[in-house]
Amino acid sequence: GAGVSQSPSNKVTEKGKDVELRCDPISGHTALYWYRQSLGQGLEFLIYFQGNSAPDKSGLPSDRFSAERTGGSVSTLTIQRTQQEDSAVYLCASSFGGGGGSGANVLTFGAGSRLTVL
Amino acid sequence: AQSVSQHNHHVILSEAASLELGCNYSYGGTVNLFWYVQYPGQHLQLLLKYFSGDPLVKGIKGFEAEFIKSKFSFNLRKPSVQWSDTAEYFCAVNPYTGGFKTIFGAGTRLFVKA
Repeated sequence: GAGVSQSPSNKVTEKGKDVELRCDPISGHTALYWYRQSLGQGLEFLIYFQGNSAPDKSGLPSDRFSAERTGGSVSTLTIQRTQQEDSAVYLCASSFGGGGGSGANVLTFGAGSRLTVL
Repeated sequence: AQSVSQHNHHVILSEAASLELGCNYSYGGTVNLFWYVQYPGQHLQLLLKYFSGDPLVKGIKGFEAEFIKSKFSFNLRKPSVQWSDTAEYFCAVNPYTGGFKTIFGAGTRLFVKA
């Protein structure tokens, strides 16, 4: 597609429920990121996929969080047993990726999925 | 731990005032550097970038940033701000190590009074 698409745009759930957030990156982009944006917390790195390499999961805050990327394209971020502190905007971004100094590492962001846990 | 620090969390300026937002990073090797901006109700978007060459880079809307390697800094500047510059500004670093993962600072909320 022309941009990074995220769904749902808004999700309200009850504490303890599982949620899935979807990201459809720009076609041809091999790098895909998930970030979490909370008031006063800036952009918190969650997970990074680059091509066929093992994902960098170092930012996932707990084992309730997981993500996968199927076929090198669409990614799903899953939060199990949601807690109120999980409430935030979850942003997906993609880029051509790869190394060196070039435009390949400029990120294009989606509009985000706003998660509210009651 | 490797990190990106933005010194000002909230900045309030009057129109025509000059702006400088600080950004420091702790990565020791070669890096790509970015400033991204999020206007109210809009997506995050690229403001400017540094990959190599002239350490003074210019971006959209009259913004510029200077890379000072010895200080591990990449400060954002604009000589005269406008009300439309009201936004949140994020500094980001993309190190050549660690798979080129991009890490962001906490952001600076700028409010420009008309």
